[in-house]
Amino acid sequence: GAGVSQSPSNKVTEKGKDVELRCDPISGHTALYWYRQSLGQGLEFLIYFQGNSAPDKSGLPSDRFSAERTGGSVSTLTIQRTQQEDSAVYLCASSPLLSGLAGLHYEQYFGPGTRLTVT
Amino acid sequence: DAKTTQPPSMDCAEGRAANLPCNHSTISGNEYVYWYRQIHSQGPQYIIHGLKNNETNEMASLIITEDRKSSTLILPHATLRDTAVYYCIVRRPNDYKLSFGAGTTVTVRA
Repeated sequence: GAGVSQSPSNKVTEKGKDVELRCDPISGHTALYWYRQSLGQGLEFLIYFQGNSAPDKSGLPSDRFSAERTGGSVSTLTIQRTQQEDSAVYLCASSPLLSGLAGLHYEQYFGPGTRLTVT
Repeated sequence: DAKTTQPPSMDCAEGRAANLPCNHSTISGNEYVYWYRQIHSQGPQYIIHGLKNNETNEMASLIITEDRKSSTLILPHATLRDTAVYYCIVRRPNDYKLSFGAGTTVTVRA
């Protein structure tokens, strides 16, 4: 079946501009995550959506970053007034709601990422 | 979360088994060992996880020592497509925030 898709695959923007990154999760997955991965760095958690619950925004690095998830499906990550340090690969993942030990393993399926370059 | 230690890189011959070690000496009793990999220009991919018993799936086997202070991921017959960075992490139940370190860069050579 279709996996997680992200668009655009690459985005080059000028410092100070706003950008929007889109994520289409796997159909039926209730949880959605955004991460970023800078060159040579590990994975950095940004935000987590689960169903209708309030999102966990604890990983957003500044108030320039925001994310929405509309209709429990598609999500958009917005970065306002981009800075050069925002350059990274932005990864989206989704996972199903697990029964039993609900959410125990949060097996996350990742998209290919959006490579953002701020010049 | 407990930290993990992995060798920075290793080579493997195509068709041979690749054994990837991971140390997690400070792992707590309720933390699971997970392995992910990331092929160049792709998102991370879940491989396998375990608590204390050895586990096997279609991708790999996971061997966890009895004291749980270390583990080994085994790719039984490595192919060129297994060339990737492999990440070993330990996670508490219900911890949905993934965090990777540097991992092991595995290069499978023909």
